[in-house]
Amino acid sequence: EDKVVQSPLSLVVHEGDTVTLNCSYEVTNFRSLLWYKQEKKAPTFLFMLTSSGIEKKSGRLSSILDKKELFSILNITATQTGDSAVYLCAVEARAGGTSYGKLTFGQGTILTVHP
Amino acid sequence: KAGVTQTPRYLIKTRGQQVTLSCSPISGHRSVSWYQQTPGQGLQFLFEYFSETQRNKGNFPGRFSGRQFSNSRSEMNVSTLELGDSALYLCASYEGGGRVDTQYFGPGTRLTVL
Repeated sequence: EDKVVQSPLSLVVHEGDTVTLNCSYEVTNFRSLLWYKQEKKAPTFLFMLTSSGIEKKSGRLSSILDKKELFSILNITATQTGDSAVYLCAVEARAGGTSYGKLTFGQGTILTVHP
Repeated sequence: KAGVTQTPRYLIKTRGQQVTLSCSPISGHRSVSWYQQTPGQGLQFLFEYFSETQRNKGNFPGRFSGRQFSNSRSEMNVSTLELGDSALYLCASYEGGGRVDTQYFGPGTRLTVL
């Protein structure tokens, strides 16, 4: 069965700090890994990673995937109070059979950024 | 493009009742996946539809069912509600054409079972 484990489960930092969120996974026939941000409502898409070693960046956020070691990290630099949210990591297996449309999520990391 | 929409946003039901939730995907998307989110279990996959066909189903009892219409809109139904069905129900849409693409989530329906 596919499995995703995120760490830490919660993190409290001050504005301006840099944080690293971790996601390790086990999935048969890996297709992609996705990061989402959830603030009391729908998860909003951050990144999709399919290739190992290629960093995706968006402003202060960046993410990279290591397919050999089966993990990904999400970095947030110069954190702001608006970054406070739950960050979810999910994996998708190659389409087919019991994999169609199914994202397997980790427990999430609760990030709290204090002013 | 308009995002994924879900109705209603909030629902309060009592045990034993049934409920129907609706999801309208992003225009052009043919696939809809449904998830249940609870504090204890996190986000769990319910089922996925593509072109009116259910292609995949998660490990939920038969009380949970769904369907998809020709315009790609989807509904899910929960019959004989139990207290443990209280959750945020999220749907996500994506193109579904077979290539790698991203699932975009709607705002969810918060179901409370009393």
